Amino acid sequence: SSELTQDPAVSVALGQTVRITCQGDSLRSYYASWYQQKPGQAPVLVIYGKNNRPSGIPDRFSGSRSGNTASLTITGAQAEDEADYYCNSRDSSGNHVVFGGGTKLTVL
Amino acid sequence: EVQLVESGGGLVQPGRSLRLSCAASGFTFDDYAMHWVRQAPGMGLEWVSGISWNSGSIGYADSVKGRFTISRDNAKNSLYLQMNSLRAEDTAFYYCAKDMGITASGNFDYWGQGTLVTVSS
Repeated sequence: SSELTQDPAVSVALGQTVRITCQGDSLRSYYASWYQQKPGQAPVLVIYGKNNRPSGIPDRFSGSRSGNTASLTITGAQAEDEADYYCNSRDSSGNHVVFGGGTKLTVL
Repeated sequence: EVQLVESGGGLVQPGRSLRLSCAASGFTFDDYAMHWVRQAPGMGLEWVSGISWNSGSIGYADSVKGRFTISRDNAKNSLYLQMNSLRAEDTAFYYCAKDMGITASGNFDYWGQGTLVTVSS
């Protein structure tokens, strides 16, 4: 199996841009998906594939990939974006799924 | 409206078994792979197991392989997780999640609200 590594915590000033990263060998072969989870709630998919947003996700959320690193960018962070963010992808074997450890985003 | 409703969680002693169920509605169940993802209290998400649309492809995390069995009944729009030889470290919220593909793509577009499994004597 493979691992995905995320920074445990990131902060951003209200209205500014923040990038949350996810590193892992599997990301050279597979795109990451990104999930937002607020306290007491189930995760919500915010980005999948090359850079796709499910219906209802604001366009301030975007995704990208370079080498073994995937990034989730929030352009103009809002107070309601404060949450835990998780990346995932298929693992290097392609038969399993792996999650990153999560990043706690604080909006100041 | 897509709905995933988990059930079957509860308090169980170490070494015992439990069966989780997930009732799906609002989409064509047998067109998609399905997964179980768990989250220990205060911790991160952990993929547990996934099953393709026709049960032809199944995968398990190393932490549960040989103890847990995933299955689905497309006629009943239901997903199951049979958990045997439970350990304290299996204590978590267990989420049912819908994949966007017929086999595991890693893109989970809908999640249930979770069911809590507590393994303790």
